[in-house]
Amino acid sequence: AQKITQTQPGMFVQEKEAVTLDCTYDTSDQSYGLFWYKQPSSGEMIFLIYQGSYDEQNATEGRYSLNFQKARKSANLVISASQLGDSAMYFCAMREGPYNTDKLIFGTGTRLQVFP
Amino acid sequence: EPEVTQTPSHQVTQMGQEVILRCVPISNHLYFYWYRQILGQKVEFLVSFYNNEISEKSEIFDDQFSVERPDGSNFTLKIRSTKLEDSAMYFCASSEGRGQGQPQHFGDGTRLSIL
Repeated sequence: AQKITQTQPGMFVQEKEAVTLDCTYDTSDQSYGLFWYKQPSSGEMIFLIYQGSYDEQNATEGRYSLNFQKARKSANLVISASQLGDSAMYFCAMREGPYNTDKLIFGTGTRLQVFP
Repeated sequence: EPEVTQTPSHQVTQMGQEVILRCVPISNHLYFYWYRQILGQKVEFLVSFYNNEISEKSEIFDDQFSVERPDGSNFTLKIRSTKLEDSAMYFCASSEGRGQGQPQHFGDGTRLSIL
C-alpha cells in the first residue's frame, strides 16, 4: 500500500480563492510527522508546513494551513488567498516514528495552477 | 535566510563515468540527506548522514553510491560508474536535528543527465 497518497494530479484555482490539496497517509506508528513541500517549475523544494501526530491544533504558516484529521489519516494543505506565484507542484511527505528513521516518504504530488 | 546550496546545477556525464555532486548544508545543521527525483516521478530517499557516518540508506543506495563530508562544510554524493537510469534530479537536504518537528531543508537540486 502507498504510504502517502495524493489523489489530485492537477488542480486549478482562481487568484484570491482558497484551495485544498488532499493527502492521505498510511502508517502503524503512533508518532509521525507530516510535511508539505512546494516545487516550482525551477525545481527547488521549498518546505511549507509541518504537523506532528501528537499536535492537537492544526498547523498554520501564513497563508498555509494543514487540515489534520488523524482518524481519517488525512493531512490536507489549505492555501488561502491564492497568488499566481503559488503555481507549482505540491508534495505531501511523512516521516514515521520519533527517531527510528530519517527518511521522508513523498507522495506523487499535485500540480496547482493559479489563474487570474 | 540560510539555505542549502548545490553544485553544479546541471551535470552531463557519459555512462560508466564517475560523478560527484556537491552540497553545502546550512551551517548549524547536523543531519544531511540525499534524495533523487526521476523525471515525472516522486522524490525518493537515498541516504542520511550524521556524525560522519551513514545513519540510514535505501535499497537504491547500492555499492556504486557513496557519501562523504570531506571538510566542515561540504557534503558530497559520488556515483562510481553511472548508468542511464541514474539520470535524475538529485537533492541534498539538511536538518538541525532529528526529531519529528525538524524539517529537512532542500537545496535547488542537481540535474544529472547520463548519456
